[in-house]
Amino acid sequence: NAGVTQTPKFQVLKTGQSMTLQCAQDMNHNSMYWYRQDPGMGLRLIYYSASEGTTDKGEVPNGYNVSRLNKREFSLRLESAAPSQTSVYFCASRRGLFGYTFGSGTRLTVV
Amino acid sequence: KNEVEQSPQNLTAQEGEFITINCSYSVGISALHWLQQHPGGGIVSLFMLSSGKKKHGRLIATINIQEKHSSLHITASHPRDSAVYICAVLMDSNYQLIWGAGTKLIIKP
Repeated sequence: NAGVTQTPKFQVLKTGQSMTLQCAQDMNHNSMYWYRQDPGMGLRLIYYSASEGTTDKGEVPNGYNVSRLNKREFSLRLESAAPSQTSVYFCASRRGLFGYTFGSGTRLTVV
Repeated sequence: KNEVEQSPQNLTAQEGEFITINCSYSVGISALHWLQQHPGGGIVSLFMLSSGKKKHGRLIATINIQEKHSSLHITASHPRDSAVYICAVLMDSNYQLIWGAGTKLIIKP
C-alpha cells in the first residue's frame, strides 16, 4: 500500500548511543517532515525537507541531524542520545498544500 | 500562550452521546486539519477545511475563520471512536503545521 514507512517501530537506547530513524514514502511527494510527540504537547517539528537536496530546521532541531537521501527517503539521526529525546517520532510527507500523510511512528526510549 | 488551543483536554462520554471538541487558534491560516490518533497507532487525517463545514459519516467539522475557531462533532458516538483527536493549522505564511495538544476521547459502552 502507498504511504509513509517508518523504521524501527520501537527502540531503546542508552544515553550517548547513536541511531538513525528511517522514513520512506512512495507517493512522489516533495516535502517530508520529522516530528516528535511528547505527552500533553502537540507535535513539534524537528526538521523538514521541502524538496530533494534541501533540509531546514524546525522548532526543536537541537540534538538531531537529517538527510534527504533522495525524493523517497528522509532519515533522522541522533548522534548522542539523551533521555530528553525519549519520545514518539513521526515522519510525514506532503502533497501540494494540504495532503499530509503520516507514518505509524517510532517509539524511542533513552535510558 | 499556545498558538493552537484545544478543549477539552479529556472527554469521557456514554455511547450514543453527541460529542463536540473545540479548537481555537491565534495565527493566520490557510487551512485546518482534524486528525485522529488511536492508542499505539499512527495519525490519520479526518478533515482538511478552510471554510464552512464538512461531513463524513458521523463526523462533522466546522470552521469560523473570522472567530479563528473550529469544532469537530461526532454524532451517535461509539466506543470505537475512542481516540485522541488533534487539531492542526496550516500557517498561511510558510505552510507549516502547528499542532494542538489533542483531546483524549473515551466512549463508554
